[in-house]
Amino acid sequence: EAAVTQSPRSKVAVTGGKVTLSCHQTNNHDYMYWYRQDTGHGLRLIHYSYVADSTEKGDIPDGYKASRPSQENFSLILELASLSQTAVYFCASSRQGANTEVFFGKGTRLTVV
Amino acid sequence: GDSVTQTEGQVALSEEDFLTIHCNYSASGYPTLFWYVQYPGEGPQLLFRASRDKEKGSSRGFEATYDKGTTSFHLRKASVQESDSAVYYCALSEAHYAQGLTFGLGTRVSVFP
Repeated sequence: EAAVTQSPRSKVAVTGGKVTLSCHQTNNHDYMYWYRQDTGHGLRLIHYSYVADSTEKGDIPDGYKASRPSQENFSLILELASLSQTAVYFCASSRQGANTEVFFGKGTRLTVV
Repeated sequence: GDSVTQTEGQVALSEEDFLTIHCNYSASGYPTLFWYVQYPGEGPQLLFRASRDKEKGSSRGFEATYDKGTTSFHLRKASVQESDSAVYYCALSEAHYAQGLTFGLGTRVSVFP
């Protein structure tokens, strides 16, 4: 079964602090994604990657960086966390192809105080 | 850019009621359409997909038909159960699949016994 594991599952961060969310997949998928989920906004794409050592900006990249050191791992970095970044973050992976299934992790609930 | 519109934000039903969630899309090309379902504490998971005009997708009693003429992919289930309570997302993916899925805002379905 396809597996995407996120850590931590929840985190409280201080405004202005640095936050790193980690994601590991055992699907052997080339594509990985970070989405943000907010009430009233659904799921929005932050960053994505289709090969190790390369990342691309999604629809809402401002305030976020991403890192893909290997095919299996994909991190989301908030250098200076802000209150507006309080949300649930989902990592996902998929094979190549427009009609392919995207597999999601269980999410990380981030609260910035 | 691409977009997905779900008309219903929340739906409350009794068991054995008929469920309809309306989904309309806007895309520059010929997208693949998806329905994802999200249960509490979980990430979204694929319900089913359709890639061609008039193609019907179905799973677990849910179904939707790709209609290119009306740019719609409405979700229907004839008789819902309490276990169908979840958030349902309509989504699309285009040829530039590396950019992942574009989601609607989601519809929270609550089914009461």
